[in-house]
Amino acid sequence: AQTVTQSQPEMSVQEAETVTLSCTYDTSESDYYLFWYKQPPSRQMILVIRQEAYKQQNATENRFSVNFQKAAKSFSLKISDSQLGDAAMYFCAYTSADKLIFGTGTRLQVFP
Amino acid sequence: DAGVIQSPRHEVTEMGQEVTLRCKPISGHNSLFWYRQTMMRGLELLIYFNNNVPIDDSGMPEDRFSAKMPNASFSTLKIQPSEPRDSAVYFCASSSNRGRGYTFGSGTRLTVV
Repeated sequence: AQTVTQSQPEMSVQEAETVTLSCTYDTSESDYYLFWYKQPPSRQMILVIRQEAYKQQNATENRFSVNFQKAAKSFSLKISDSQLGDAAMYFCAYTSADKLIFGTGTRLQVFP
Repeated sequence: DAGVIQSPRHEVTEMGQEVTLRCKPISGHNSLFWYRQTMMRGLELLIYFNNNVPIDDSGMPEDRFSAKMPNASFSTLKIQPSEPRDSAVYFCASSSNRGRGYTFGSGTRLTVV
């Protein structure tokens, strides 16, 4: 079965600190892509960062970076210098053929 | 680029009524996806289209659900008859290339009473 596991239902972080959200996935495919999406209370799904599985270099987008461990099928998201606006649900996802398979999400709270 | 446009944003209907959700993908995107989001089941893929052709509808829960894409700029998801357990947020997403990611609409919150 194609699965994405986000083992942390909830996380919290102090403003300006760093937090890491974990994600593992299970696929037998060799060619796939990985994503982190953010869903604030507005419910809009916002693409945060993406990673090509064939690339060893970890993707970075400003304060957001990933730690991609292909052999371990792990894809964690690190948020540096956390801001109040980072508070949201975060979903990890990967492509299976053309389909995007999501994890159950991690709710991130940011405290001032 | 106006993004993926979904309508209506909210829909409240009575059990047994027909409900039609609408989606306009981003121009040039050749893949379109319908997702359902609930607290219990998370984000589930219902059906997706490539070049207006349905490719995989294995996520459609039952025959009460149907989806069409008559042209590259429009898709509908219909529920007939609707039931309270269909209450959820329904998202439409489109993509030109899976490596670039999928752009989501703002969703339709459906409540069936």
